[in-house]
Amino acid sequence: AQTVTQSQPEMSVQEAETVTLSCTYDTSESDYYLFWYKQPPSRQMILVIRQEAYKQQNATENRFSVNFQKAAKSFSLKISDSQLGDAAMYFCAYRSAETSGTYKYIFGTGTRLKVLA
Amino acid sequence: DTGVSQNPRHKITKRGQNVTFRCDPISEHNRLYWYRQTLGQGPEFLTYFQNEAQLEKSRLLSDRFSAERPKGSFSTLEIQRTEQGDSAMYLCASSLGWGATDTQYFGPGTRLTVL
Repeated sequence: AQTVTQSQPEMSVQEAETVTLSCTYDTSESDYYLFWYKQPPSRQMILVIRQEAYKQQNATENRFSVNFQKAAKSFSLKISDSQLGDAAMYFCAYRSAETSGTYKYIFGTGTRLKVLA
Repeated sequence: DTGVSQNPRHKITKRGQNVTFRCDPISEHNRLYWYRQTLGQGPEFLTYFQNEAQLEKSRLLSDRFSAERPKGSFSTLEIQRTEQGDSAMYLCASSLGWGATDTQYFGPGTRLTVL
């Protein structure tokens, strides 16, 4: 079975600085997808960024980028130029490829990010 | 607002009672997911629908839980004979896509408290 581990329950970053959130996962599959979701306080969860395992190039979305290390089964999220609105819980998630026959997403326990003014 | 909606937003019930939650996905979305989230944890997968077909159900899901999606539109999640351990946030998400384009849009959740 696949597992997702986020070892940092909480992180803090100064406004305008850069922070990296860690995520590791375990799988025997070769094709899968990885995601970072953001859950602001009392607000709905939204997708931040996604990565296809078969792509070597790291995904980037504006100030958000990932460091995907497939062999190490590591998928970290880097937030540059942190803003107060980035404060939230961040969840790493894994999803198998369609050929696996399963459609479920597996989420980590989350990292609470605090942004200091 | 054409986002995912969930009702009720909060539900307080006594142990042993039945409860039903509703999720209205984004109208053109064919996929619908239910998750349970407890404090300090990430969402835990419960079940998944593609259109009206329930294609996957978590093995952790008790027989007291049942979900439906008649006509492939809204979905309901029913919990029978509630227990205190059922207290959690129940999240619904919908999507339209395939593979990496399968972006889930989450609803605000229904917070269940079982006394």
